Amino acid sequence: EVRLVQSGGGMVRPGGSLRLSCVGSGFTFEDYDMSWVRQAPGKGLEWVSGINWSGGSTSYADSVKGRFTISRDNAQNSLFLQLNSLTAEDTALYYCARDGLLWFGDLFTAHYLAYWGQGSLVTVSS
Amino acid sequence: QSVLTQPPSVSAAPGQKVTISCSGSSSNVGDNYVSWYQQLPGTAPILLIYDNNKRPSGIPKRISGSKSGTSATLGISGLQTGDEADYYCGTWDTSLNAWVFGGGTKVTVL
Repeated sequence: EVRLVQSGGGMVRPGGSLRLSCVGSGFTFEDYDMSWVRQAPGKGLEWVSGINWSGGSTSYADSVKGRFTISRDNAQNSLFLQLNSLTAEDTALYYCARDGLLWFGDLFTAHYLAYWGQGSLVTVSS
Repeated sequence: QSVLTQPPSVSAAPGQKVTISCSGSSSNVGDNYVSWYQQLPGTAPILLIYDNNKRPSGIPKRISGSKSGTSATLGISGLQTGDEADYYCGTWDTSLNAWVFGGGTKVTVL
């Protein structure tokens, strides 16, 4: 059974930082591209960032570029999202998601988001 | 404003069918496969349709997907109260080099 278990959410002040983690099991973690998706309270889904299977290629939404950093540790079956310079607009439930296609591309490309974590709540407030 | 356009809400009686549209452009829907996601209240999204019209194992045949040009459609027939949820379309945008979602559609069973 494919599982994505997230940790690391919490409350932080504006301008602060936070690191989210996502551990995969039930599949060969290093074979798949991964993404982070967020959902602000009462709003829709917003793709935030993605990383290819090897970690050599990353992509970001314009809204987080330069502030967030995605990374992975395939030896630990782990995906990370470092959130810096946080603002109230970053308050959201953050999901990690695994791509559905076995695809060893040099560049990150999402095909479809087959499996999702349970979500980590990030609240930015003074 | 979402890159992909969906109606905010649709509704129908139990047993009836609803369709949800997802309109994009040549750089996203027109150029790539579309997938659909269901989000029940308070839960993480799940994949309903991938590659325009394929169902993952466990998704019933009354769920269907199609694509024509720069628009895609999700169909849910034999509507049940358990289908009340938010539904999102998504695809890769070749120009943005990013994944994009529609704004979401709330399905209500009357």
